[in-house]
Amino acid sequence: EAQVTQNPRYLITVTGKKLTVTCSQNMNHEYMSWYRQDPGLGLRQIYYSMNVEVTDKGDVPEGYKVSRKEKRNFPLILESPSPNQTSLYFCASSLRGANPIYGTRFFGPGTRLTVL
Amino acid sequence: KQEVTQIPAALSVPEGENLVLNCSFTDSAIYNLQWFRQDPGKGLTSLLLIQSSQREQTSGRLNASLDKSSGRSTLYIAASQPGDSATYLCAVDFNKFYFGSGTKLNVKP
Repeated sequence: EAQVTQNPRYLITVTGKKLTVTCSQNMNHEYMSWYRQDPGLGLRQIYYSMNVEVTDKGDVPEGYKVSRKEKRNFPLILESPSPNQTSLYFCASSLRGANPIYGTRFFGPGTRLTVL
Repeated sequence: KQEVTQIPAALSVPEGENLVLNCSFTDSAIYNLQWFRQDPGKGLTSLLLIQSSQREQTSGRLNASLDKSSGRSTLYIAASQPGDSATYLCAVDFNKFYFGSGTKLNVKP
């Protein structure tokens, strides 16, 4: 089944304790991205990746890191989480053709993170 | 920067009604526009994708139209059902992906 998976689905942690949220897709998609969703602010892009070893900042990258060493995986790293990073996080992927028409974006089920 | 607006923010209708959700965007140079459905606390499910060269797409009871020149898209839901209750989001692909704030739909039995 074509899908985007995220782990963990729920995480409660404390300020300053490094954590990684994994994202994996099995559709051979080139483009992957991370979003956070907050009440009243909607969905905002954190980082995106056009392909392996190619990443770029989205609208709210502060406090986050990403890496794209393999095509299927795009982990989100919080080196020193803070309470303002409490949010619902989504990973997404899509196929990027020769021209910049990205096609349908597929979203993971979300990771609910609470930083105490 | 692209701004995406959805109107109305919330909508409550009796079962069986046909309804229209609106999405507007400020820069017409988009690659495509996508409509999503989100159930409370859940992920996003893609409903329809309209490429910039297309005018509309249909899937079952859903029909989405796109007017790039005016910066508007509409999602038409025919014969609404209680199971349609969810938040509907539109997003435009404009180098990056920009989301609207959504329309929360409640279909009453």
